[in-house]
Amino acid sequence: AQKITQTQPGMFVQEKEAVTLDCTYDTSDQSYGLFWYKQPSSGEMIFLIYQGSYDEQNATEGRYSLNFQKARKSANLVISASQLGDSAMYFCAMREGSAAGNKLTFGGGTRVLVKP
Amino acid sequence: DAGVTQSPTHLIKTRGQQVTLRCSPISGHKSVSWYQQVLGQGPQFIFQYYEKEERGRGNFPDRFSARQFPNYSSELNVNALLLGDSALYLCASSLRTGSGANVLTFGAGSRLTVL
Repeated sequence: AQKITQTQPGMFVQEKEAVTLDCTYDTSDQSYGLFWYKQPSSGEMIFLIYQGSYDEQNATEGRYSLNFQKARKSANLVISASQLGDSAMYFCAMREGSAAGNKLTFGGGTRVLVKP
Repeated sequence: DAGVTQSPTHLIKTRGQQVTLRCSPISGHKSVSWYQQVLGQGPQFIFQYYEKEERGRGNFPDRFSARQFPNYSSELNVNALLLGDSALYLCASSLRTGSGANVLTFGAGSRLTVL
């Protein structure tokens, strides 16, 4: 089974509107961390936001927020007030267990294109 | 401050050759990890080094090897290149290893094409 599933291969969003990117995960560990990264065409992966499995509140970082639903094993990224510079690939990733070190498991990504 | 730097940025090799990719972590970061990203897919974990010791290895053949130097920079070596090794190779550094909000900072990658 896929550890990280991103079901939306691509999305269009109008500038200044909000967009939600879906991510579901599969793990039997109680301790895990969920990350979202942005990858522009330049190739560099840019960290956006982190949610720990024991965090009771949803993480927020500026225009980014993470809608964490633990029982449903989902960790959707919400980008508010989209900007043209938000056009990129977005990856959801998981660090699974306390001994995972720096091994992240990534999903297949969602391409976002912001329209003016 | 300089981010994670990788070299070379692009390279072309032929099947059977060997390649060495280099990574300099952010100053003060002691952990380096390597990921392979095939076109159209998410990155896959290859190796992690922390304090010059291997701390994790992904599901890659022995043709892939890596090391970390005393200054925490790292090299990834791939021997006997196959067409399927064509990918973007990403290096990531972090202050430490382990759980929690230990964020990996990635470089821009080395794009390898095998002909």
